[in-house]
Amino acid sequence: AQSVTQLDSHVSVSEGTPVLLRCNYSSSYSPSLFWYVQHPNKGLQLLLKYTSAATLVKGINGFEAEFKKSETSFHLTKPSAHMSDAAEYFCVVSDRNTGTYKYIFGTGTRLKVLA
Amino acid sequence: DTGVSQDPRHKITKRGQNVTFRCDPISEHNRLYWYRQTLGQGPEFLTYFQNEAQLEKSRLLSDRFSAERPKGSFSTLEIQRTEQGDSAMYLCASSSIPSTSVEQFFGPGTRLTVL
Repeated sequence: AQSVTQLDSHVSVSEGTPVLLRCNYSSSYSPSLFWYVQHPNKGLQLLLKYTSAATLVKGINGFEAEFKKSETSFHLTKPSAHMSDAAEYFCVVSDRNTGTYKYIFGTGTRLKVLA
Repeated sequence: DTGVSQDPRHKITKRGQNVTFRCDPISEHNRLYWYRQTLGQGPEFLTYFQNEAQLEKSRLLSDRFSAERPKGSFSTLEIQRTEQGDSAMYLCASSSIPSTSVEQFFGPGTRLTVL
């Protein structure tokens, strides 16, 4: 079965410092992986996606993630946090096993940015 | 706007009442998904349609829940005899095949509160 594990439920960083949100995946297939952000009372917004092309994926708002097969990881990073980055972040794997490609979400990481 | 739309955005109901939600996917998308997100959790898969056919249902979808997608366009999700545990955000997403990215596009969600 495919799954993702977000290793931190809460992360706090100071504005202007780097952000690291960790995600490990489990998949018997070459996975399709995504990071989504959800601001309070807002919908899910795609930050970036990995679909077996380049292992370093660049997304919106300065975020990027690196797919590491040997470590089964897909960590999200940003060089410098901004106050507007405070939100809930979800790591997602697309389930290819059944052919539905349904999303399997991690439990989320709440990012807090301190002034 | 050509994104995924959901109606209503908010619904407050009393326990035991029936409710129905509507999702209008992106017009050329033939895949449609419903997810449920409870407070502090990541979204969980409920059901999947390919065109008008409902091809997968989660065990989360009790017999009080029913979903339809007549003519492969919009979809409805009905909950009968609502319970307080049904309080959640109900998300709809759509995607198209063939698609190499398997990316899903999410609507804003319907927030259900059962009193």
